[in-house]
Amino acid sequence: EDQVTQSPEALRLQEGESSSLNCSYTVSGLRGLFWYRQDPGKGPEFLFTLYSAGEEKEKERLKATLTKKESFLHITAPKPEDSATYLCAVPNQAGTALIFGKGTTLSVSS
Amino acid sequence: SAVISQKPSRDICQRGTSLTIQCQVDSQVTMMFWYRQQPGQSLTLIATANQGSEATYESGFVIDKFPISRPNLTFSTLTVSNLSPEDSSIYLCSFLTGRHTEAFFGQGTRLTVV
Repeated sequence: EDQVTQSPEALRLQEGESSSLNCSYTVSGLRGLFWYRQDPGKGPEFLFTLYSAGEEKEKERLKATLTKKESFLHITAPKPEDSATYLCAVPNQAGTALIFGKGTTLSVSS
Repeated sequence: SAVISQKPSRDICQRGTSLTIQCQVDSQVTMMFWYRQQPGQSLTLIATANQGSEATYESGFVIDKFPISRPNLTFSTLTVSNLSPEDSSIYLCSFLTGRHTEAFFGQGTRLTVV
């Protein structure tokens, strides 16, 4: 069964304290790994898609990397406005929809 | 990037009633998806809505409870029927781009059943 597991469930950082979020997956024939940001009461906001091991993508203070079994979302010098839940997802076997992890809730305090 | 609008953004409904959620995309998309996000949980796929055919439901979700319409390539509705407090969740519509490189979500509908 395809699964996506994210860790930690929650992460508290001080402003400027860099860290990483993990997303591990068990799906054969990976056809992309998606990262989203979700603010309370809102729909997920697309961040990145990664397709192959070794691929990296960056957006402001966020950098996503991909290996054969997991992905990391690195947050460099976070700010309070980076506080949100970060979700990762992979397409199902049919490639028709996304399977989501439970997310990591990040809180950044000043 | 494509714009996807969902409404209502929130509603409070009496048990036993129904709520219909609308999702409008500003470009034609082949497949649209409906997800449920229960409190403190991640997103769970309810069904895939295809234009011109019946929706495909995931295990644990049935058409009588979650009827879906897809009258054209830019619009879909999800109805949550015979509401009970357990249906209190956020419901989200979504679509994948043609090459499945990005997936976009509506703003979500927060449903509270009392």
